[in-house]
Amino acid sequence: GENVEQHPSTLSVQEGDSAVIKCTYSDSASNYFPWYKQELGKGPQLIIDIRSNVGEKKDQRIAVTLNKTAKHFSLHITETQPEDSAVYFCAATDSWGKLQFGAGTQVVVTP
Amino acid sequence: EADIYQTPRYLVIGTGKKITLECSQTMGHDKMYWYQQDPGMELHLIHYSYGVNSTEKGDLSSESTVSRIRTEHFPLTLESARPSHTSQYLCASSSADRGNEQFFGPGTRLTVL
Repeated sequence: GENVEQHPSTLSVQEGDSAVIKCTYSDSASNYFPWYKQELGKGPQLIIDIRSNVGEKKDQRIAVTLNKTAKHFSLHITETQPEDSAVYFCAATDSWGKLQFGAGTQVVVTP
Repeated sequence: EADIYQTPRYLVIGTGKKITLECSQTMGHDKMYWYQQDPGMELHLIHYSYGVNSTEKGDLSSESTVSRIRTEHFPLTLESARPSHTSQYLCASSSADRGNEQFFGPGTRLTVL
């Protein structure tokens, strides 16, 4: 089945700097790669996603890149703000269409 | 804003009690999921449903059971709760019409004493 690895597990950045989280997946048939943000005491919320027919997607300060050949995708957050502090999860669909999640990255943005 | 609801939000019960965690969505999604998550940790799929009267076990073995009698409702039941069941339980739903994007509820934090 699909296996998703996510790095780093924790990331501390200075406010205004950029943050990058990387994920790799194993199933070449995967075609949908969402990123979720989870704040304390809440359920995960989708922040951006990308499909296999696209290499890059951007939404304001957030961007995602996908390299299907290498089977990896990354989340980029620019000009980080304290409200970006949260746990971020990447995911990839398996052959049944279910999502397989990475282990999560705790992002801490310090003022 | 996702229209998916979970009740209760917090539950503290004693060992051996039977509990049911409720999950409802008003988006008409055909697929629904239950995940188990320890604080700050990865999500583990424990049950899913692709439609009414369809339920499957997920990747993580769980002693809980689910039912899907109505499209909008996907309750999870523990017949006899144990301390090892202490965790956060997250419900989600998706639809092929929406590109299979999963919408999550706020979660139920369960503590078994």
